Amino acid sequence: GAGVSQSPSNKVTEKGKDVELRCDPISGHTALYWYRQSLGQGLEFLIYFQGNSAPDKSGLPSDRFSAERTGGSVSTLTIQRTQQEDSAVYLCASSPSGGAYEQYFGPGTRLTVT
Amino acid sequence: QQQVKQSPQSLIVQKGGISIINCAYENTAFDYFPWYQQFPGKGPALLIAIRPDVSEKKEGRFTISFNKSAKQFSLHIMDSQPGDSATYFCAASRIEPRDTGRRALTFGSGTRLQVQP
Repeated sequence: GAGVSQSPSNKVTEKGKDVELRCDPISGHTALYWYRQSLGQGLEFLIYFQGNSAPDKSGLPSDRFSAERTGGSVSTLTIQRTQQEDSAVYLCASSPSGGAYEQYFGPGTRLTVT
Repeated sequence: QQQVKQSPQSLIVQKGGISIINCAYENTAFDYFPWYQQFPGKGPALLIAIRPDVSEKKEGRFTISFNKSAKQFSLHIMDSQPGDSATYFCAASRIEPRDTGRRALTFGSGTRLQVQP
């Protein structure tokens, strides 16, 4: 079946602009995670959605970052007023349920802020 | 206590050889230990995983060895092939204690494997 998909695959933006990154989880998966992967920081948790529960936003690095998940499926991560330190690969992962062991990652969006 | 330490940072193996990557953890609350394979420009792909009540798990050419008392686990790739050349991440996960239901996943720093033909 189809895996996790993300778009765009690459995004180059100027400092100060807003960007939106999209994630389509595996059909039927109720849990969705956003991570950031960078050379110096490894894999960094950002935000978690599970069904209709309030999201766990504990990993968001600043209030410039926000995310939503519509209809329990597609999720959008928004970064406002981008900074150069936001440059990284943003990964989305989905899981069959909140406590399920497996997390399946999408291909990521490489964000470059110039 | 959240760290997962991974070694080596890079590894070069001849085709047909055995690739071995080692990881160690501190937090005994971890209850699931997956390995991910990542090719350039792609996301991490779940390769194989083990739970701490098992000492070994084998899937094809890939084997995880798990030593609970030493808090160490390793990935063995038998008969390594050039197509195995990728970055491998060990990871450990546990349920986040703040009652959000989130499974917190901690990655190792990665091992870049190169299998020479």
